[in-house]
Amino acid sequence: GAGVSQSPRYKVAKRGQDVALRCDPISGHVSLFWYQQALGQGPEFLTYFQNEAQLDKSGLPSDRFFAERPEGSVSTLKIQRTQQEDSAVYLCASSLGPGNQPQHFGDGTRLSIL
Amino acid sequence: TQLLEQSPQFLSIQEGENLTVYCNSSSVFSSLQWYRQEPGEGPVLLVTVVTGGEVKKLKRLTFQFGDARKDSSLHITAAQPGDTGLYLCAGPPRGYSTLTFGKGTMLLVSP
Repeated sequence: GAGVSQSPRYKVAKRGQDVALRCDPISGHVSLFWYQQALGQGPEFLTYFQNEAQLDKSGLPSDRFFAERPEGSVSTLKIQRTQQEDSAVYLCASSLGPGNQPQHFGDGTRLSIL
Repeated sequence: TQLLEQSPQFLSIQEGENLTVYCNSSSVFSSLQWYRQEPGEGPVLLVTVVTGGEVKKLKRLTFQFGDARKDSSLHITAAQPGDTGLYLCAGPPRGYSTLTFGKGTMLLVSP
């Protein structure tokens, strides 16, 4: 498809397990972003890549959160030793240009930690 | 401190009514973007406003950017049930290279 694709759409994990969330941005988009969104709230910034370089990771809540984009295309957000407060929707977005340009969002991964 | 304050947080109206939602900040933004998000989906860009005082219209939606580029509003005329969703404003604060989002206004339009 032509849009941003995220997988899985839903993920249920037990507390303490590691999870990996995948994002396929729009082809050719330089910038890629990860956000965390609580129910009925706006997206909260986690991290930003320009090509393969992670330019800003100031929003990652703890060192249990790790993101990579090794070839400047697909990105993975990994959460280690998950906790209940990690339950949220994780959104990925991409944009053609720098980080302050309009962004195209995927439909998110809904993560539930039991 | 929330950089972009949106109000109201929640709005429930009947079909055919008019409404305005607001996005305010104490900071200057080089541009502001408005998105709409429906349940289970990602936000979708509606419009970008760039120039202070700018007004943009998208069918029944009118967007304004404040003269000082610190605030914006979205006015919907004759709301329809299909307008239901979470309306988000977002922008790059001066000196930042990424977007910051407001908490959103949840709009419910009943038939």
